[in-house]
This record gives sequence, structure tokens and C-alpha cells, in this order.
Amino acid sequence: EVQLVESGGGLVQPGGSLRLSCAASGFTFSRYSMHWVRQAPGKGLVWVSRINSYGSSRGYADSVKGRFTISRDNAKNTLFLQMNSLRAEDTAVYFCAREPILFNSSWGLDIWGQGTMVTVSS
Amino acid sequence: QSVLTQPPSASGTPGQRVTISCSGSSSNIGSNYLYWYQQLPGTAPKLLIYRNNQRPSGVPDRFSGSKSGTSASLAISGLRSEDQADYYCAAWDDSLSGWVFGGGTKLTVL
Repeated sequence: EVQLVESGGGLVQPGGSLRLSCAASGFTFSRYSMHWVRQAPGKGLVWVSRINSYGSSRGYADSVKGRFTISRDNAKNTLFLQMNSLRAEDTAVYFCAREPILFNSSWGLDIWGQGTMVTVSS
Repeated sequence: QSVLTQPPSASGTPGQRVTISCSGSSSNIGSNYLYWYQQLPGTAPKLLIYRNNQRPSGVPDRFSGSKSGTSASLAISGLRSEDQADYYCAAWDDSLSGWVFGGGTKLTVL
């Protein structure tokens, strides 16, 4: 079964750090670009970050640039999001998602994890 | 404030046809494919439409997408109670170098 499972969420104080993980199974992880998307309570979806299949290209939303770092370990089929200098506005459910790219074109975020909740509060 | 604009709500009765609009700009919808996601209450989003009008395997043909210029729409025909969900449009934005989403449309089946 194709699956993404996030972990690492929790309660953290403002200014603190947290590292999220996304374990992939049921597909060849190293062939796909991967993303993090977040959703604040009662709000819509917001794209956070992306990384290509090799890990050589990364991108970030302006709101997290300089504070968050995306990475991956293709040998362990795992995606990461290192979150530093956390703020109250980073409170959200964080989803990881898979993106198939064929012929240099996206086929959308076709598989999503169930999400992990991050709460930034004192 | 989302980069893509959707109506916050839509509604219809069982069997009806409902459309949800999505408006953007030349840097996103105008130059890239449009995607639709369905999010049932308490669950992760699910890809509903990709590349403007393509349905992933398993998505009923009651769902259809279209795009023209910097706008797009999702149509749901033969509305069913299980279609009650939040719907999001999304596109790659060349200026932001990232995915942008609409604010979401909450569909209510009356």
C-alpha cells in the first residue's frame, strides 16, 4: 500500500525547534519530489516547502524561508522538515505529500500523509 | 489572503450540478496547470483533478474540471451527500516558485 506517515509534531514554545519526519512506503521514494503543506486550525491549505527527488533542489514559502529546512534520506525513504525559530503562526497540521513529475511536468500532489499537529505556544 | 480566489461556500441538493470557481493570475493559472483537491472533514486532502481536467483513477466522472485564461472551475454533477467537503484549487506560481492554493470552498449538500 502506498503510504506516507508523518511524525514529530507536538507542543513547543515560541522560538523553539522541532523536526518533522515523513516515512514513505509502498513506492520508490527516490523517484518523487516531495512537499510539506500546512493547515492552521479551521483554515485553508498553505504550501510550505518542496525538495526534488535527488535532494539537490529545494524551495520554501516566504513565511518560513530562513527558519525551516527540508531534507530527505532516500536510503531510509524518509522526508524531514527542520523547523527553527518557531512562531505562534506556525501552529498547524503539517502534511507531507508526493509529487510525480513526468516529462518535466507535475501530475499534482497525489499522495498525502495524515498530518502531524504542531502547536507553538508558551 | 490566498493567492487563488475561491468562493468560501457553495451548496446544492442531491442530484443537482454545482460549480466552484477559482481565479488567479498570469503567473499561476495563466501559465500552469490547475489542480483540485477534496478534503473531507478530519481527513487529509485528496487529489481530485490534475492537469486542468484529468481525473485520477477512482475519482467518479461526476467530477470535472476546466480552465480558461486565469480562471478555472470544478463541476460536480449528480450531487451526493458524500460530496460534502472542502474543495481547494491549486497551481504552481512561477513568480513565487511554489504551489499556491485557493482559500477553499466548503460545499454543503442540503
